Amino acid sequence: DGGITQSPKYLFRKEGQNVTLSCEQNLNHDAMYWYRQDPGQGLRLIYYSQIVNDFQKGDIAEGYSVSREKKESFPLTVTSAQKNPTAFYLCASSIWSGRDFQADTQYFGPGTRLTVL
Amino acid sequence: AQSVSQHNHHVILSEAASLELGCNYSYGGTVNLFWYVQYPGQHLQLLLKYFSGDPLVKGIKGFEAEFIKSKFSFNLRKPSVQWSDTAEYFCAVNARFSGGYNKLIFGAGTRLAVHP
Repeated sequence: DGGITQSPKYLFRKEGQNVTLSCEQNLNHDAMYWYRQDPGQGLRLIYYSQIVNDFQKGDIAEGYSVSREKKESFPLTVTSAQKNPTAFYLCASSIWSGRDFQADTQYFGPGTRLTVL
Repeated sequence: AQSVSQHNHHVILSEAASLELGCNYSYGGTVNLFWYVQYPGQHLQLLLKYFSGDPLVKGIKGFEAEFIKSKFSFNLRKPSVQWSDTAEYFCAVNARFSGGYNKLIFGAGTRLAVHP
């Protein structure tokens, strides 16, 4: 059964703590993405990775870090530097077809809801 | 800067009413257009997409959308909504940037509530 899994579904963090959100995909997709969803703001891109061992900052990368050591995994760490971390975090993946722009539909995981206490 | 505007933040309809959700984008280059839906408690799902060809695209569950290039619009329609269509709907534009990186830009979303 192919898809994207995220864990945990709910996460509670005390202020000052770092937490890591897991994202795994078995779709054999090259590219993976992290988004943050806040009410009334849609989704905003945090980080993305096109290939293993490479990743780039998105629009709101401050206070976050990622790694891409394996093709199927793209964990996101929310650091204590993130001023307003309470949000719903979504991971996505797509093929990366280079010049074939039309092929790159993104598919999303179920999300992790992070709450800072 | 590229942006996507969804004009209605909240829409309330009765069952069997017709639906049209507006979406406009600002980007002059080649784009792919998407509508995603998020049902209560479920993850974001692809409803339909436009890449090229016929500007009227049909998606799942009876939804369709029309791409009007001159108006930079991609409005979502359904002739007769059901209670099960209650969800949040997101319009998104996929733009290609230098280095082959695709950026999916989302609108703020429209919450649709359908009453029986």
